[in-house]
Amino acid sequence: NAGVMQNPRHLVRRRGQEARLRCSPMKGHSHVYWYRQLPEEGLKFMVYLQKENIIDESGMPKERFSAEFPKEGPSILRIQQVVRGDSAAYFCASSREGASNQPQHFGDGTRLSIL
Amino acid sequence: GIQVEQSPPDLILQEGANSTLRCNFSDSVNNLQWFHQNPWGQLINLFYIPSGTKQNGRLSATTVATERYSLLYISSSQTTDSGVYFCAVERYNFNKFYFGSGTKLNVKP
Repeated sequence: NAGVMQNPRHLVRRRGQEARLRCSPMKGHSHVYWYRQLPEEGLKFMVYLQKENIIDESGMPKERFSAEFPKEGPSILRIQQVVRGDSAAYFCASSREGASNQPQHFGDGTRLSIL
Repeated sequence: GIQVEQSPPDLILQEGANSTLRCNFSDSVNNLQWFHQNPWGQLINLFYIPSGTKQNGRLSATTVATERYSLLYISSSQTTDSGVYFCAVERYNFNKFYFGSGTKLNVKP
C-alpha cells in the first residue's frame, strides 16, 4: 500500500527555468494538497485540488505558479521562470475525502534548489 | 486563518529523559495532527488527534479541544527522536492545515 509519492526528491534549476513537481496520492485518495516549507520554517498551505478541479488556491502566489490534478495521472505543481526565492521544500498531501475529519498523508517532499 | 504556537522552540535533552511539547491554537479546530520531521526532511505522521488521548509506544498525545491546546509527550528519549516536531490544525471546511513553527529537538547520547 504505497503512500503519497513525490518526484523528483531533489530538483535543481537555474533562474528563469521551469520546475515541475509531481505528486501521486495514496490509492483511493482523490484530494490533494500542496504545501511549501522555507528553510527553518513550518509548512504553508498553497493549493487544494480534487480531480480536475482547483478548490482553494488562496496560498498560491498569483504569478508563475500553477497546479493541476488531471483525471488521469499525478498532480503537478508548476513554477515558471523560477527565482532564488522559490528554493524550498514542496510537500504534497492527500486525503480520502475533504480534509475535515480526515487525516492528511504527506509525501517525502521535493527539495527545489535554484542556482 | 488560525494562529498556531508551539513551545518550546528549541529543546536539548539527554538520552533517556522525558519531555512535553505544547501546541496552542487560536480557534476551534476539527482536525489536529502531530508530525516529526527527521533530519532528512521527511514528515512522519505521529498522531491524528482532534481530541482525546492516544499512545504509540514511547509517544503519547493529548488534545483538549475546548481549551485549544495539544500536548505531545516523549518518554525515554532516544537520539533517533531528534528533529523538528510540528503541530498542524484545520478548521471545519477550511480544507487546509495551519502549521506551527515547530519544536526543534536535539537528543544527545
